[in-house]
Amino acid sequence: QVQLQESGPGLVKPSETLSLSCSVSGVSMSTTGHFWAWIRQPPGGGLEWIASIQSNGRISHNPSFAGRTTMSVDTSKSVFSLRLATVTAADTAKYFCARDLYGFTEFDSWGSGTLVTVSS
Amino acid sequence: QSALTQPRSVSGSPGQSVTISCTGTTSDVGGYDWVSWYQQHPGKAPKLLIYDVYKRPSGVPARFSGSKSDSTASLTISGLQADDEANYYCSSYAGVHVFVVFGGGTELTVL
Repeated sequence: QVQLQESGPGLVKPSETLSLSCSVSGVSMSTTGHFWAWIRQPPGGGLEWIASIQSNGRISHNPSFAGRTTMSVDTSKSVFSLRLATVTAADTAKYFCARDLYGFTEFDSWGSGTLVTVSS
Repeated sequence: QSALTQPRSVSGSPGQSVTISCTGTTSDVGGYDWVSWYQQHPGKAPKLLIYDVYKRPSGVPARFSGSKSDSTASLTISGLQADDEANYYCSSYAGVHVFVVFGGGTELTVL
């Protein structure tokens, strides 16, 4: 059974960079064809896909983030990460990592999410 | 504003059926058979209910079914149960530039 767990600071200052990691267990991240994603949900709001990464490091980004996002993956440690630059209060949200099973079509396993607040 | 349009709320009594719509465009829902539905209870992570418009992952009851007509996808929940009270989100593949779009979510109340 695939399990994912997010980690990272719960508070980030405006204009700084948000950094989160996701630990994956129960499956090899190197499995061909699988993607790994970040999705966020502002308080009381809906879901928003941020980006997905393949095991080979190829990244697809949500264009609405205007180049602020970076992802990385370390399959040997079963971890993938997100960096979101120049954050504002609008980036306050619960951030989920998820397995993006075949690329943008179904997110079949999710972490429990981590709340990140952007405030000075 | 979300890319896919869902009703803010729907309701039904135990045992009844409810249908939640998800309207997009020919660039997303209407252009691909890659619509998914997620159930989210308050404070919890979303759970995949339906993928590829109508397919159910292992363990999801047959009470949950999906369909699509043109640019509108639908999730039908039959035999409503108290535990079905949750928020439901649709998503769709949206091509090689936008990739994924979600609906704004629908709150289901079981009366």
